[in-house]
Amino acid sequence: QSVLTQPPSVSGAPGQRVTISCTGSSSNIGASYDVHWYQQLPGTAPKLLIYGNSNRPSGVPDRFSGSKSGTSASLAITGLQAEDEADYYCQSYDSSLGYVFGTGTKVTVL
Amino acid sequence: QVQLVESGGGLVKPGGSLRLSCAASGFTFSDYYMSWIRQAPGKGLEWVSYISSSGSPIYYADSVKGRFIISRDNAKNSLYLQMNSLRAEDTAVYYCARAQAGIAAGFDPWGQGTLVTVSS
Repeated sequence: QSVLTQPPSVSGAPGQRVTISCTGSSSNIGASYDVHWYQQLPGTAPKLLIYGNSNRPSGVPDRFSGSKSGTSASLAITGLQAEDEADYYCQSYDSSLGYVFGTGTKVTVL
Repeated sequence: QVQLVESGGGLVKPGGSLRLSCAASGFTFSDYYMSWIRQAPGKGLEWVSYISSSGSPIYYADSVKGRFIISRDNAKNSLYLQMNSLRAEDTAVYYCARAQAGIAAGFDPWGQGTLVTVSS
């Protein structure tokens, strides 16, 4: 089972801002390990969206931003667009378990 | 461009074995750590195994330890996953992914995945 907890779903109207939380513990996010975020469009492989807590790979729109504090992290999507409808996963490292992923969040654009 | 292409998936009976391959291109494969990550149908992502650029160290998730073996051939730009004693709960799409630098790295890019179905 996943050790990083995310809300199952979030939704918003086009143009709105939505945030996705990722809650961990002292053995992963709280141990200062970086958090990364992935976007998985329907029927496709995951794609790196944010790395090192808040960095965007080349080509990722600046509508996507990440932050981390204590044992949690967040992904924000501003100016929500229809093409942002996808599943989003956080990922970190756990000192006991190795690499860990979040439970996943489905973003729906209303 | 950087590309990862998995192969070797299919239908196998419980207790059987399967070997997955991942062909890398567009980057210096021997410079990068690599991982296998899987996703059961309709479920989330689960990290499976990780191998350093040289082939050691290697790490496994507890769920596959003792049954799966990760390996690589840097001369062939290829990553492998030997899966033994397969169980129904191993049914998933298996992705290979390149690890960014550092122990707590993210993964980028990912291959398109290969489906493994364990069923009698």
